[in-house]
Amino acid sequence: AQSVTQLGSHVSVSEGALVLLRCNYSSSVPPYLFWYVQYPNQGLQLLLKYTSAATLVKGINGFEAEFKKSETSFHLTKPSAHMSDAAEYFCAVSGGSNYKLTFGKGTLLTVNP
Amino acid sequence: KAGVTQTPRYLIKTRGQQVTLSCSPISGHRSVSWYQQTPGQGLQFLFEYFSETQRNKGNFPGRFSGRQFSNSRSEMNVSTLELGDSALYLCASSLGGSGAQETQYFGPGTRLLVL
Repeated sequence: AQSVTQLGSHVSVSEGALVLLRCNYSSSVPPYLFWYVQYPNQGLQLLLKYTSAATLVKGINGFEAEFKKSETSFHLTKPSAHMSDAAEYFCAVSGGSNYKLTFGKGTLLTVNP
Repeated sequence: KAGVTQTPRYLIKTRGQQVTLSCSPISGHRSVSWYQQTPGQGLQFLFEYFSETQRNKGNFPGRFSGRQFSNSRSEMNVSTLELGDSALYLCASSLGGSGAQETQYFGPGTRLLVL
């Protein structure tokens, strides 16, 4: 069984500030981890994914995430927030032979000018 | 390459009716998955199809069904609609042969409102 917990349903930052969105996972098999972003009235867009090649993963739009097995975490960061980063972010896990993605509840990121 | 397309984008139905949603995957992708997104339950996996066969299934009642055609296009059907079926239905496609590490590419979704 797999599950994802995203701490903080709503995160608010100032433009130029550090973005930190938290994700913890539970998995009975080696996990693959994903971060997706969803803009209003749109589908999900992949930001980055961890597939065991490297623990620090760089994605699009300046985002990165670090896989920490000991902490079962995969937090998403960006050094400097832009107004265009305002959206909802979802962490997801998959594993084994199952193509199913299990998502967290999402974190709504607000960027203040 | 064109992305995942879903039709229709918006749909209004009444309780008891049935609905069919369509998804065309990225060219060359053979796996299609469906997800339901609601404010209360978030994103939940419905089912996944590969080569016209249902390979994985989520925890939804039998009113929710799907199928996949030989060109990998997929449809999902919901019969006897309930108010709680109001949701954004997302389709995702992937190559289908490399396991759980594959990236799933999502379409824009079909927003269903049940009155």
